[in-house]
Amino acid sequence: SQQGEEDPQALSIQEGENATMNCSYKTSINNLQWYRQNSGRGLVHLILIRSNEREKHSGRLRVTLDTSKKSSSLLITASRAADTASYFCATDVTSGTYKYIFGTGTRLKVLA
Amino acid sequence: SQTIHQWPATLVQPVGSPLSLECTVEGTSNPNLYWYRQAAGRGLQLLFYSVGIGQISSEVPQNLSASRPQDRQFILSSKKLLLSDSGFYLCAWGKGGFRAFFGQGTRLTVV
Repeated sequence: SQQGEEDPQALSIQEGENATMNCSYKTSINNLQWYRQNSGRGLVHLILIRSNEREKHSGRLRVTLDTSKKSSSLLITASRAADTASYFCATDVTSGTYKYIFGTGTRLKVLA
Repeated sequence: SQTIHQWPATLVQPVGSPLSLECTVEGTSNPNLYWYRQAAGRGLQLLFYSVGIGQISSEVPQNLSASRPQDRQFILSSKKLLLSDSGFYLCAWGKGGFRAFFGQGTRLTVV
């Protein structure tokens, strides 16, 4: 079953603008991860944020986590055409076994 | 360093034919292993995961099965493929509480 839901489903912005994607999930988690997928390819890990963290940065990426609202956001600043991809959140649920459950994804298009 | 190999990259199979996709991991021991399927333009659906040799958990009832004959080998199989089995199959490994590492995927088209 799908644990996470990203919104928006699709986002189109101009190069240089910021892109914000949101992820909501249903159950308690150990951590939450964001991945990027270029068309028809494997997944690239972007960032992992643990359940006891509220914000994390990596280069142009900023991730926030609100466990009370069961939600996370991914901000890409100063976007580039190369950021065009689908972005997924994945939760590592606290079920005793580590299963990575993915959301439905946000398709980001950055226009040059 | 850890790597994950998944093959083939693309596969076209007729309806009713068998399937075997293989995934191997290097550079780590006793990983958790995962098979995901992604329909066109959709998210990743967890099909199977394994926490050890011979230990397989199925997440979604379907026409597929998985096996883990060795610690770092994970195989996805079908005896008779259906059209609905078409999709992008991804193998991954992870260890408790840390990030997952993905293979490059196999695009399966059942015709």
